[in-house]
Amino acid sequence: DAGVIQSPRHEVTEMGQEVTLRCKPISGHNSLFWYRQTMMRGLELLIYFNNNVPIDDSGMPEDRFSAKMPNASFSTLKIQPSEPRDSAVYFCASRTDGPQTFGSGTRLTVV
Amino acid sequence: AQSVTQLDSHVSVSEGTPVLLRCNYSSSYSPSLFWYVQHPNKGLQLLLKYTSAATLVKGINGFEAEFKKSETSFHLTKPSAHMSDAAEYFCVVGGAGNNRKLIWGLGTSLAVNP
Repeated sequence: DAGVIQSPRHEVTEMGQEVTLRCKPISGHNSLFWYRQTMMRGLELLIYFNNNVPIDDSGMPEDRFSAKMPNASFSTLKIQPSEPRDSAVYFCASRTDGPQTFGSGTRLTVV
Repeated sequence: AQSVTQLDSHVSVSEGTPVLLRCNYSSSYSPSLFWYVQHPNKGLQLLLKYTSAATLVKGINGFEAEFKKSETSFHLTKPSAHMSDAAEYFCVVGGAGNNRKLIWGLGTSLAVNP
């Protein structure tokens, strides 16, 4: 099993640009989670999906953030427009009945 | 409602000495509990999990944790620290039933001194 796959590993973008982060969950997992990790705030859950349906998006910080899961094998987290304070590591995780398995993360730097 | 508290933000031990990372939880029902580890500039890795089976749970890399309902604790221990154990450790309580959301502690940074 290839695990949870996130792309890109690193993203550097200018303020105001659109950023799209991608995640491929483990095949057969029916829940997918997006997290953000910063030094100041630690690990924050942004949104999670069950069976491709968003269940809880209360952690999404602003309307600039949006997430989609068009099918069971793919999800995106989009930030438009991006701001320097969005700089963080963004993790995707998936699970079924067991614990969450995490991807390696995308390190986003907005300059 | 569920919550989790990691009692120490930083722990420093010498190599070869025991490790104790403390975690207390609050849950209105029998919880699932996890410890995750994050090495510098790496992703999060599951260390061990408790899901209402044996109260003493063994994980990877020689770590173990004991679920104590009377104390609402799930402390992480290791008899002898290695330099490679230096990392951030997260105690996590899991949602029940259809609630898949995990509640994360703020983390404990473990330093291992030579």
